[in-house]
Amino acid sequence: SAVISQKPSRDICQRGTSLTIQCQVDSQVTMMFWYRQQPGQSLTLIATANQGSEATYESGFVIDKFPISRPNLTFSTLTVSNMSPEDSSIYLCSATGSQETQYFGPGTRLLVL
Amino acid sequence: SQKIEQNSEALNIQEGKTATLTCNYTNYSPAYLQWYRQDPGRGPVFLLLIRENEKEKRKERLKVTFDTTLKQSLFHITASQPADSATYLCALDDPGGFKTIFGAGTRLFVKA
Repeated sequence: SAVISQKPSRDICQRGTSLTIQCQVDSQVTMMFWYRQQPGQSLTLIATANQGSEATYESGFVIDKFPISRPNLTFSTLTVSNMSPEDSSIYLCSATGSQETQYFGPGTRLLVL
Repeated sequence: SQKIEQNSEALNIQEGKTATLTCNYTNYSPAYLQWYRQDPGRGPVFLLLIRENEKEKRKERLKVTFDTTLKQSLFHITASQPADSATYLCALDDPGGFKTIFGAGTRLFVKA
């Protein structure tokens, strides 16, 4: 199994600003993902963070709005850029190793005013 | 595209009873199906994985069934406890890549 930590756990931001969320895994993992979850809703995949190359974004998500880095096998960041109130959500990092199971971080609760 | 349907209404049961949650999917049959538990303010936690060639899987008080004909999985918690109260998510693999598709989850309340 893998233990995942995220920073910050929550933040309140002003519209037009950007926030970078960090995700740290305690062991080397194959895949890392970033999700968004609105209250009472399903997890929506934003992108797959690829080590050493550009992230793979899902439909509706673009690099300019959600730039992602993954400099090594245990760390990734997601930036929410030029934020608006519609970006208020919970952002979750996850990772998989050799099995299909995903391990999730505790999430970052973002409120944009 | 694949759609996952889980009962959006909360399930309320009495302690000691068996809770049964349903996951239906609409398109292709996945190679495997997973169940996760999510508590408020926390990330999902993996519980069980069942593959397409398996009919049933058990882990302690948990049991998962997988019927590819009905395109349905049932998740059972026997001898339920108030600590089992949480949201339970069904998830399927996406055959196009390494992604996982999650259902919206069903909220379970177990009353003492």
